[in-house]
Amino acid sequence: DAGITQSPRHKVTETGTPVTLRCHQTENHRYMYWYRQDPGHGLRLIHYSYGVKDTDKGEVSDGYSVSRSKTEDFLLTLESATSSQTSVYFCATQPGPNQPQHFGDGTRLSIL
Amino acid sequence: QQQVKQSPQSLIVQKGGISIINCAYENTAFDYFPWYQQFPGKGPALLIAIRPDVSEKKEGRFTISFNKSAKQFSLHIMDSQPGDSATYFCAAGGTSGSRLTFGEGTQLTVNP
Repeated sequence: DAGITQSPRHKVTETGTPVTLRCHQTENHRYMYWYRQDPGHGLRLIHYSYGVKDTDKGEVSDGYSVSRSKTEDFLLTLESATSSQTSVYFCATQPGPNQPQHFGDGTRLSIL
Repeated sequence: QQQVKQSPQSLIVQKGGISIINCAYENTAFDYFPWYQQFPGKGPALLIAIRPDVSEKKEGRFTISFNKSAKQFSLHIMDSQPGDSATYFCAAGGTSGSRLTFGEGTQLTVNP
């Protein structure tokens, strides 16, 4: 949907290792978001971006950082992965204000 | 802090029946209320959305009812079909539709 590609789609890694997830979009949408989805919590906003080099924290940003050097790419980094960050991560894009958000198909991340 | 409460957690309905999912919010600044549908292995997809200037919005078999004074909104699926079996999320956000806060999700099963 909306030309959103998340990579990798699945990843298993060990506690303490750095992990970077990539969201790539082809629609030139201005806004981009990273959410995590956990049972009983719905989706929770981690970080968001309103444009290149314009990023801010969401409600569950501790342990995560993001970068957006190009309109089409939004990277989510776990500097030192912990087991509590095992989750399904979704990227979303939004063309601009008052437009709907479109979601990618997620990255399933397991941290052992 | 969960600002959007969704119920029920799971729902089983017979084919042709009405499915009803309810959400309540706390933040009176919320001005945009979308519902998302999610199938296994896929990202959420926008189903229908409402703004508080109307009390009801209908699109095909899907209807949102909105009660601003009670800070509640609900999704009604008429003539439910097995293909409607999915997880449904309500959400709330500001006027621009950014920074959405999601409910916990409802797993709907429609039996044939």
